[in-house]
Amino acid sequence: EDKVVQSPLSLVVHEGDTVTLNCSYEVTNFRSLLWYKQEKKAPTFLFMLTSSGIEKKSGRLSSILDKKELFSILNITATQTGDSAIYLCAVPTYNFNKFYFGSGTKLNVKP
Amino acid sequence: DVKVTQSSRYLVKRTGEKVFLECVQDMDHENMFWYRQDPGLGLRLIYFSYDVKMKEKGDIPEGYSVSREKKERFSLILESASTNQTSMYLCATQTPGQGSGEQFFGPGTRLTVL
Repeated sequence: EDKVVQSPLSLVVHEGDTVTLNCSYEVTNFRSLLWYKQEKKAPTFLFMLTSSGIEKKSGRLSSILDKKELFSILNITATQTGDSAIYLCAVPTYNFNKFYFGSGTKLNVKP
Repeated sequence: DVKVTQSSRYLVKRTGEKVFLECVQDMDHENMFWYRQDPGLGLRLIYFSYDVKMKEKGDIPEGYSVSREKKERFSLILESASTNQTSMYLCATQTPGQGSGEQFFGPGTRLTVL
């Protein structure tokens, strides 16, 4: 059965800390893995990863994929209160007709 | 910019009522999805549609139906609402073969069934 598992489910840190969020997957005919950030409402796209070992970076956020071990990590350095959100990991089927989502990691950054 | 809108942000209904949730997109995307989101369970797919009048069941279709009469509009119908359908409902769109593969989400409808 195809599935995506995220850990931890929730995390509380203080501003300035560095956090690592994990996403492991078992999806047939893997093509890509996507990270989203969800604040009060709709998830917004962060990264898409398709190749192992190539880091994607956007400001303080970065992500990398390991297709051999079937996982991805999302790193956030120098966290800010504005990083507080639910971070979702998703793996689409090869034709993008279906997306498997993890349960999300709820990050709370305290001042 | 892709725009995905949902008919209501908040909705309160009574058990047994028929409920319509509407999603409209303005980017001519083929694929449209309905999810529900519950704490600790992430996003679970209810139904998706890959073309007008075409639909496929997702992981939790029981108690729901959908309608896609026009490409830009995808409706989720709760035939007889029950309290266990209290949830956040998210609509998303996506174009297959698009470079990034990302889904674009609407703002969500928080439905409470009393």
